[in-house]
Amino acid sequence: GDSVTQMEGPVTLSEEAFLTINCTYTATGYPSLFWYVQYPGEGLQLLLKATKADDKGSNKGFEATYRKETTSFHLEKGSVQVSDSAVYFCALVETSYGKLTFGQGTILTVHP
Amino acid sequence: NAGVTQTPKFRVLKTGQSMTLLCAQDMNHEYMYWYRQDPGMGLRLIHYSVGEGTTAKGEVPDGYNVSRLKKQNFLLGLESAAPSQTSVYFCASILTGGTEAFFGQGTRLTVV
Repeated sequence: GDSVTQMEGPVTLSEEAFLTINCTYTATGYPSLFWYVQYPGEGLQLLLKATKADDKGSNKGFEATYRKETTSFHLEKGSVQVSDSAVYFCALVETSYGKLTFGQGTILTVHP
Repeated sequence: NAGVTQTPKFRVLKTGQSMTLLCAQDMNHEYMYWYRQDPGMGLRLIHYSVGEGTTAKGEVPDGYNVSRLKKQNFLLGLESAAPSQTSVYFCASILTGGTEAFFGQGTRLTVV
């Protein structure tokens, strides 16, 4: 079945550091890929998405490129802020049958 | 998140009681999902639906039932609540093709 694997956390960075959170997936078809962010005590917000190979999703300084050849969708940000501290989830939906599958989440803490 | 509304937001049940959680979306999305999120854990899929009148089991369906009688509503039922069902429940909806994806704000359920 479909699966999503995220790098193990937690990740702790200083402000203005470069961020990478790795995400790889297994899917039988041609999934759409997502990154969600969850701030403490809140629900999940869609951060960015990509619906086909080589698409780049971007939002709020975050980027991720849909790499079919490596089955990856790594999240990057050039300069993190304290306000980026949250849990980040990678997810896919295999659009032919609609199941939405999440990775285990990565806790990011950014220190001043 | 715009367009996905969960009710109620909080609920305390006694063991053995029943309740229904409602997820409503006004975006004409085909796919809808119910997840639970336990402390320190990621999201686990309970049930999902790929269209009106359809439902399917996810990873942790036991103890829950669902219905999708109308396209805009996805109901999650607990027939006989157990303390193990204490969790935060999230609903999500996705447009076919994965180009739009939104979560509700969550329902915090405590079973005593």
